[in-house]
Amino acid sequence: AQTVTQSQPEMSVQEAETVTLSCTYDTSESDYYLFWYKQPPSRQMILVIRQEAYKQQNATENRFSVNFQKAAKSFSLKISDSQLGDAAMYFCAYRRTGNQFYFGTGTSLTVIP
Amino acid sequence: DGGITQSPKYLFRKEGQNVTLSCEQNLNHDAMYWYRQDPGQGLRLIYYSQIVNDFQKGDIAEGYSVSREKKESFPLTVTSAQKNPTAFYLCASSTFGQGEAFFGQGTRLTVV
Repeated sequence: AQTVTQSQPEMSVQEAETVTLSCTYDTSESDYYLFWYKQPPSRQMILVIRQEAYKQQNATENRFSVNFQKAAKSFSLKISDSQLGDAAMYFCAYRRTGNQFYFGTGTSLTVIP
Repeated sequence: DGGITQSPKYLFRKEGQNVTLSCEQNLNHDAMYWYRQDPGQGLRLIYYSQIVNDFQKGDIAEGYSVSREKKESFPLTVTSAQKNPTAFYLCASSTFGQGEAFFGQGTRLTVV
């Protein structure tokens, strides 16, 4: 079975600084998708960034970027210039092509003013 | 605007009652999912459906039932057999085969 592990239940970062959230996953597949979702206090799940496994280039969305290490099965999220609005739960997710999604247990990010 | 709508936002259930959570999407997605979220446990899959009139059990299907009579709708019934139903429930949809999941706003179910 596929598993997604987020080993950092809680993280904190100073406003305007950079923070990296870790995620590892277990799979025997070669073709799949990886995602980072943000869940603010409203509890609405918001897609932050996604990565297709066949792409070697790391995905970037404004202040958010990933470090995708396929051989190591690692998918970390870097948030640059952290803002107060970045405070939320962050979930890493894996999707095998054509099939269901698997989520990690989440990392709670606090942004310190 | 396209999206997923869950209702109600808050739901209270008495012991022994069945309750149904609604999920409707107008994104023309084939796949739909129900997740349960408890503190510290992330999202756990209850049921998912990839086409109309077909659905599969997820990791925690016991005490729940679903139907998929229309592409747009995937209601979840929490039955009296579910012994600990108090949780936050999220519905999601996606295209079949690739891409991200889109989520509704969630339903908070509380047993009273």
